[in-house]
Amino acid sequence: NAGVTQTPKFQVLKTGQSMTLQCAQDMNHNSMYWYRQDPGMGLRLIYYSASEGTTDKGEVPNGYNVSRLNKREFSLRLESAAPSQTSVYFCASSEGQSMGELFFGEGSRLTVL
Amino acid sequence: QKEVEQDPGPLSVPEGAIVSLNCTYSNSAFQYFMWYRQYSRKGPELLMYTYSSGNKEDGRFTAQVDKSSKYISLFIRDSQPSDSATYLCAMKRVNTGFQKLVFGTGTRLLVSP
Repeated sequence: NAGVTQTPKFQVLKTGQSMTLQCAQDMNHNSMYWYRQDPGMGLRLIYYSASEGTTDKGEVPNGYNVSRLNKREFSLRLESAAPSQTSVYFCASSEGQSMGELFFGEGSRLTVL
Repeated sequence: QKEVEQDPGPLSVPEGAIVSLNCTYSNSAFQYFMWYRQYSRKGPELLMYTYSSGNKEDGRFTAQVDKSSKYISLFIRDSQPSDSATYLCAMKRVNTGFQKLVFGTGTRLLVSP
């Protein structure tokens, strides 16, 4: 059982380049989330999707866009990467919106030069 | 002041020690508390979650909540080298979605053989 799968695991970009981080879950979960994790800052929510067809901003949405492609997949796009977006990005999913467990992927390490 | 405070460590202990990991919080409305373990270069995985006050035990792990002091703890008995990881606390109000989950910055634990 794969759980939450993220691709790519590593990426190096130059300032101004664009890229998309892919996330897929095989647990039939309704809700999906994108976080970034930076030293000393903890996990911060970028965007989330409470259910298929909906997306909403989290704490740090600037510079990012998302697409909930279907129930399984939730992608995060950086249109014009900046060095401040160097981080480790985690996708997560949950069956419900408020109870139970938040399942995380293994992360995508992004460096913007 | 951050809503959730967690000492970053590292906390170094010998194998077999009892470990106490702690978080303090400022929002008295928080009643849903979670502890995640994160191994190096991996995603967080849930250890346990608790509601309101009291203790919850799962094997060698005990989660404790003291709402009067706005303080939560995770105790690890008979610590093992495999427990070496970063431990994240997270919390929210019961009837809010996971998009409102607030994470601590994590405490790094090192258990030496």
